Formats: sequence, C-alpha cells, structure tokens
Amino acid sequence: GAGVSQSPSNKVTEKGKDVELRCDPISGHTALYWYRQSLGQGLEFLIYFQGNSAPDKSGLPSDRFSAERTGGSVSTLTIQRTQQEDSAVYLCASSPLGDEQFFGPGTRLTVL
Amino acid sequence: SQKIEQNSEALNIQEGKTATLTCNYTNYSPAYLQWYRQDPGRGPVFLLLIRENEKEKRKERLKVTFDTTLKQSLFHITASQPADSATYLCALVGSGGYNKLIFGAGTRLAVHP
Repeated sequence: GAGVSQSPSNKVTEKGKDVELRCDPISGHTALYWYRQSLGQGLEFLIYFQGNSAPDKSGLPSDRFSAERTGGSVSTLTIQRTQQEDSAVYLCASSPLGDEQFFGPGTRLTVL
Repeated sequence: SQKIEQNSEALNIQEGKTATLTCNYTNYSPAYLQWYRQDPGRGPVFLLLIRENEKEKRKERLKVTFDTTLKQSLFHITASQPADSATYLCALVGSGGYNKLIFGAGTRLAVHP
C-alpha cells in the first residue's frame, strides 16, 4: 500500500516568504507527527496530532510555525516569514497509535 | 535536561563482522526504545522496538539490548553486509504519554567489502 507522502520534495524560497509543506499520512493512521532534521543532526520534534484531540505544539520553535490537520488526514505545516535558520529537511510521520512510526521522504527547505 | 547520546563518529567495519552501536540516555525513564535506519535523502525506517521490561529483542540479523540501570541500549548487526551501511537512530518515548519520540543524532555505519 501507499506510504506517507510529502510535497514538495524540495522547496527553495527567499527569506521573508511564507511556505507550506504538505503531508499525506497512511490511510487509517490516527497519529501524525512533524519533525525537523538539520544537516548531520537528529530529528527535532515539532508537533503531534492525535485524532480529534488538541495537537501538541510544544516543539514548534516560534510562532512563525503552525500546522493543521484537516479531516484527520492531510496535514500542512506553514512557516511564515522564513529565516535562513529554517533551512532543514522537514519530515512527517504517521502511526496507527501503535509504537512504530512511518516516515515520509521529507521536504528539503532551503531559505536563501 | 533529557539527553540521548549516540556516537557521532562513523563506525567502519569489515563485511561479515558484527557491528555494535550504542545509545546512552540521561534524565529519562523511557517506557520503550526504538531503533530506526536512515539512508541519505530518505526518511527513517523502523527496525526494532524494545520495552523497559525486556532485556533483549532479536529480528533476523539484528539484536537490541536495553539496560535501564546503565541507561543504555546496544544495537547489533551480525554478519554485516555493505547494504547495512546507513545511519542508525535510536529514539526514546516517555512513560505515561503518547508516542512522542525523542531521537538521538544517529551513528553512521559503513560496512566495507
């Protein structure tokens, strides 16, 4: 079956612009996560969605970052007024509320 | 503060040998620990999970141990192959919560023919 998909795969933007990153989780997975991975670093937790519960936004680095999940499926991560330090790979994962997380291929964001 | 440490230096081994990767953690009492494999340009792929009440878990050529006293997990790949070359990440989840994983930075493994 289809895995987690993310789009775009690469995004180059200018400093100060807004960007939207999309994640399509595996159908039926109730949990969805966003992570950020900088070059040579581990994954940094950003936000977690579980069903209809309020999301855990504790990992968002600033109020320029926001995310939503519509209809318990597709999620969009929005970064407003991008800065160069936002450059990273943004990874989305979904889980059937089991233990294992299934990751997408990521979106590589470059802020010039 | 909570901290997960993996050897940042790459591990280079000869094909056929056993690779052993280490994950140490501090200020943490994880309910379970996971290991993931990450290839360049790709998202992590789940390999194994071991719970706090388990000492050892095996899957084919993979073996994971979990010592909650030492606060350490060891990840072994026996009869290593060049195709095992990748970065291996350990991830911990806390007890009493949902599956919010905290990842280590990973260790790069290179298996040479």
